[in-house]
Amino acid sequence: SQQGEEDPQALSIQEGENATMNCSYKTSINNLQWYRQNSGRGLVHLILIRSNEREKHSGRLRVTLDTSKKSSSLLITASRAADTASYFCATDQTGANNLFFGTGTRLTVIP
Amino acid sequence: EAGVAQSPRYKIIEKRQSVAFWCNPISGHATLYWYQQILGQGPKLLIQFQNNGVVDDSQLPKDRFSAERLKGVDSTLKIQPAKLEDSAVYLCASSPVGSQVAGELFFGEGSRLTVL
Repeated sequence: SQQGEEDPQALSIQEGENATMNCSYKTSINNLQWYRQNSGRGLVHLILIRSNEREKHSGRLRVTLDTSKKSSSLLITASRAADTASYFCATDQTGANNLFFGTGTRLTVIP
Repeated sequence: EAGVAQSPRYKIIEKRQSVAFWCNPISGHATLYWYQQILGQGPKLLIQFQNNGVVDDSQLPKDRFSAERLKGVDSTLKIQPAKLEDSAVYLCASSPVGSQVAGELFFGEGSRLTVL
């Protein structure tokens, strides 16, 4: 079964606004990763946050991790139409050497 | 650097037929994964190789799915016989990491299978 669940399932915002997506998971992890998938394409890695990290930034992306609540959030600031895609969190469970993907958030940025 | 190559991009078959998908990972990447992504869902791991050995195939339906990674480079995923519920995108990914912690995965564009 899939490890993570993203919330909301779908999000529609205006260009220039911020988008926040949340991910909850169930077991202890080594790291948590976020990926983007444009329609009909493969997944592209965005950012990795380790279990001993609380916050990480990459360009317009900000990721937080709260291991006590088993949750993570992805914030995209100043969104662009090109950010329209599905976003997945993926967890590397302790003791496993692969990633378990969540159900995804479909983000639509309206120009 | 060339990315992960997959073929074919699209395949339509009838149930009970067989199909094979091919993946060539990024050069030098030790770990190769096959994921199944059903429409509207996240990818689900089918099988993981490290070099030419299987690390995890616990979620591979072995009565109909098989995969191999000869010589530790490219890989083939086969489905025989196909069922309607096998309609999905089959994603191949590779990673240079071969340790006990999963690092960044590099995905191919996927092979979309439709079973009629």
